[in-house]
Amino acid sequence: ETGVTQSPTHLIKTRGQQVTLRCSSQSGHNTVSWYQQALGQGPQFIFQYYREEENGRGNFPPRFSGLQFPNYSSELNVNALELDDSALYLCASSLGLAGREETQYFGPGTRLLVL
Amino acid sequence: DQQVKQNSPSLSVQEGRISILNCDYTNSMFDYFLWYKKYPAEGPTFLISISSIKDKNEDGRFTVFLNKSAKHLSLHIVPSQPGDSAVYFCAARYYSNYQLIWGAGTKLIIKP
Repeated sequence: ETGVTQSPTHLIKTRGQQVTLRCSSQSGHNTVSWYQQALGQGPQFIFQYYREEENGRGNFPPRFSGLQFPNYSSELNVNALELDDSALYLCASSLGLAGREETQYFGPGTRLLVL
Repeated sequence: DQQVKQNSPSLSVQEGRISILNCDYTNSMFDYFLWYKKYPAEGPTFLISISSIKDKNEDGRFTVFLNKSAKHLSLHIVPSQPGDSAVYFCAARYYSNYQLIWGAGTKLIIKP
């Protein structure tokens, strides 16, 4: 059973650019959630995908978008990068919808730096 | 507006003693509370949880206490071990949409 993996591990971009972050969910999991963790803060919920459809979104602008593929892997896309987008981006997978936080597994994250 | 607050950025405890990590919340719409542990370069891992209808939940060395009237919860680790050194996050779940709101974390250091 493979765990949650994320790529790349680190990334440096400049303001205005676009970025795509990737997440492979744990085997058998069909739900993926994305979080943003700024330095010194706790993770903030961006959105969740269940069976390829968005199922809930936090307080993030539309330039944050996502996709989930038939194999349940997922992408987070951020357009028009801003300096405040610099953060650790965490992906978490689980089986089924909400209420399963105990069985939600996190990847190690992608560290994004926007200059 | 921080709805979940962990006021201690760090805590240092002697090995073998009790570690007590605290968390305060402001919203009465939370129905479930969780603690996560995070090591450097790894994602958070679930540690223990408690429903809002309970006041205590225990799992081995870990116990979570919930005081609803004070909107306060705490995580007790006893006895503390070197492997417990990590950042601990408190998270609260909205009953309506199951979204988790996280605290900023407390870095626990267990001294040998």
